[in-house]
Amino acid sequence: DTEVTQTPKHLVMGMTNKKSLKCEQHMGHRAMYWYKQKAKKPPELMFVYSYEKLSINESVPSRFSPECPNSSLLNLHLHALQPEDSALYLCASSAGLAGNEQFFGPGTRLTVL
Amino acid sequence: GENVEQHPSTLSVQEGDSAVIKCTYSDSASNYFPWYKQELGKGPQLIIDIRSNVGEKKDQRIAVTLNKTAKHFSLHITETQPEDSAVYFCAAYKGTYKYIFGTGTRLKVLA
Repeated sequence: DTEVTQTPKHLVMGMTNKKSLKCEQHMGHRAMYWYKQKAKKPPELMFVYSYEKLSINESVPSRFSPECPNSSLLNLHLHALQPEDSALYLCASSAGLAGNEQFFGPGTRLTVL
Repeated sequence: GENVEQHPSTLSVQEGDSAVIKCTYSDSASNYFPWYKQELGKGPQLIIDIRSNVGEKKDQRIAVTLNKTAKHFSLHITETQPEDSAVYFCAAYKGTYKYIFGTGTRLKVLA
């Protein structure tokens, strides 16, 4: 199974809402990633978890809060977002630090009103 | 800083023709180079990759070549089909969990 799943597929939220994005993989991968992708742009790295510990935070605003409850799950908690945060949020996983295949999920299309 | 240049930004080819997309990376420590295909409304899909100890890799109609000296790598698609139409991203990786992506190429295969 080489699949990364993400829920929900679409999310519309107001600037005062709190919501969460979820990601799951069962490939035994120990690195999991959150990316943000704007239209016609490449994915932009937000966070990396390695062995369930936060390894990289690309200076992401605190209104985005990642969580890795276990080796298969990755969450992104959203609070007080801005309209410019509207984007496709992608989760990905890879086996580890060495150059390995990185598999992406289908993404969550987020719209902030 | 590290960057990957990708050309062209758009590419239109007739069905059955070949398509070539080129990337140039800046960090000589990069040792893994994946290519992704992204269809509208979907996440990027890994289609082929190459490691720095290999010069060329082929998978059916898709091939990737790597020139480490020039820091160039290219994606070659032969006998293009309408379903090849998508955005293609190259990336370079050196082992820090950071995959540096190119800016993308929108490929249109005209029937």
